[in-house]
Amino acid sequence: NAGVTQTPKFRILKIGQSMTLQCAQDMNHNYMYWYRQDPGMGLKLIYYSVGAGITDKGEVPNGYNVSRSTTEDFPLRLELAAPSQTSVYFCASSYAGTKSGELFFGEGSRLTVL
Amino acid sequence: AQTVTQSQPEMSVQEAETVTLSCTYDTSESDYYLFWYKQPPSRQMILVIRQEAYKQQNATENRFSVNFQKAAKSFSLKISDSQLGDAAMYFCAYRSAIKTTNSKLTFGKGITLSVRP
Repeated sequence: NAGVTQTPKFRILKIGQSMTLQCAQDMNHNYMYWYRQDPGMGLKLIYYSVGAGITDKGEVPNGYNVSRSTTEDFPLRLELAAPSQTSVYFCASSYAGTKSGELFFGEGSRLTVL
Repeated sequence: AQTVTQSQPEMSVQEAETVTLSCTYDTSESDYYLFWYKQPPSRQMILVIRQEAYKQQNATENRFSVNFQKAAKSFSLKISDSQLGDAAMYFCAYRSAIKTTNSKLTFGKGITLSVRP
C-alpha cells in the first residue's frame, strides 16, 4: 500500500531551469494538493485539484503549473526556476467530503535552486 | 479566510513530563476539523490527532490529548509522559467540513518541540 508517492526526493536546479515534481496516489482520492514548506512559515498551498481535469490556485501559485489528467497523478511544474522556489514540497490527497477530514502526505521533495 | 496561529516557535520538555502546545484559529464556520500533525527530522507529516468541531468531547490518542475550546477558538495539544521520539515539529491545522469548499488544510507556522533526557 504505497499511499502518496513523490519523486524526486531531492533535486538541485540552476536558475532558469525547468523541472516537474511527480506525485501519485493509489487510494482513489478525489482531492490532491501541492504545498511548499519554508522554515518558520508552515505549509502554504500552491495548487489543488478536486478531480481529474479540474485544478485551481492556492495561496502561492506564481511560478508553478499543474495538471490533473488522471485521478492518480498530480504533477507540479516549475518552468523557470528561481532561488525563491528553494523549498520543501509536499503532495497530499484526501477523499472529497471525507468524514475523517484527514489529508495523506507524501514524503516531501527538497528542491534547491542555485 | 481561516487562519491558524501557533505563537510559540519552540518548547522544551523533560522526558516523562507533560507538555502542552498551544494553537488558536479564526473562522466564521461552525463545522470543521482541527488536526495536529507531527513532522520528525525524516520530514514525513504524521497525523497525531484530529477533532471534529461538532463533538464536545476532547479527542485522545494514547499519550496525546487535546483541549478543544470552540467558543474561544483554541485547540491545544497535551503530550503526557514525553518520550525522546516525541521531539519534532508540530503543526496545528484547520480544515473546513463544508463540502462546497476545496477542503484544503490551513496550517499554523509550527512549533519545534525538544525533549531533554
